[in-house]
Amino acid sequence: RKEVEQDPGPFNVPEGATVAFNCTYSNSASQSFFWYRQDCRKEPKLLMSVYSSGNEDGRFTAQLNRASQYISLLIRDSKLSDSATYLCVVYYYKLSFGAGTTVTVRA
Amino acid sequence: NAGVTQTPKFQVLKTGQSMTLQCAQDMNHEYMSWYRQDPGMGLRLIHYSVGAGITDQGEVPNGYNVSRSTTEDFPLRLLSAAPSQTSVYFCASSYQDRNTEAFFGQGTRLTVV
Repeated sequence: RKEVEQDPGPFNVPEGATVAFNCTYSNSASQSFFWYRQDCRKEPKLLMSVYSSGNEDGRFTAQLNRASQYISLLIRDSKLSDSATYLCVVYYYKLSFGAGTTVTVRA
Repeated sequence: NAGVTQTPKFQVLKTGQSMTLQCAQDMNHEYMSWYRQDPGMGLRLIHYSVGAGITDQGEVPNGYNVSRSTTEDFPLRLLSAAPSQTSVYFCASSYQDRNTEAFFGQGTRLTVV
């Protein structure tokens, strides 16, 4: 079983829509959780950390469910610039990456 | 503010050739790592280092060597290139802390023919 699993998508949504997707992780002892964004096979960049109580950063909301071992990301009011691959990342003495969820926002 | 500098950006090798991918960071990060990214797969850890003089294997270390003689530099050596090593390689650095952000180089697109 992979350490981090994501729905690869693609999620194809119109501008202004809300899109949400999850990832699951296998190690219950995982310590930290993140969402990274990757554009067109460029280098990944941190989008946001994910905290136990859930957190928002503008139009982005991240949730963590430790009991069920999944993390979610919700994007509200999608913009064309949100088109990217979103990588779920879990830390347990090293970073483990999911394969990514591709989101395409259309005009 | 250079961050993580990775070279070259593109490389074509013949099977059996060797080469070194360079990675340097100027943020005084203790932790450095190398990943490869293949279609449909997440970034897979090749080797990592928690400080100068200390390296360890990741998930897919075979066919690669690393060294960490300074805090700044963490080169990755392909000993005898194989077509299976065709991939995009990323170097990353961060502080050795579970809540820290990892910074990535721009990547090296390697093709082995």
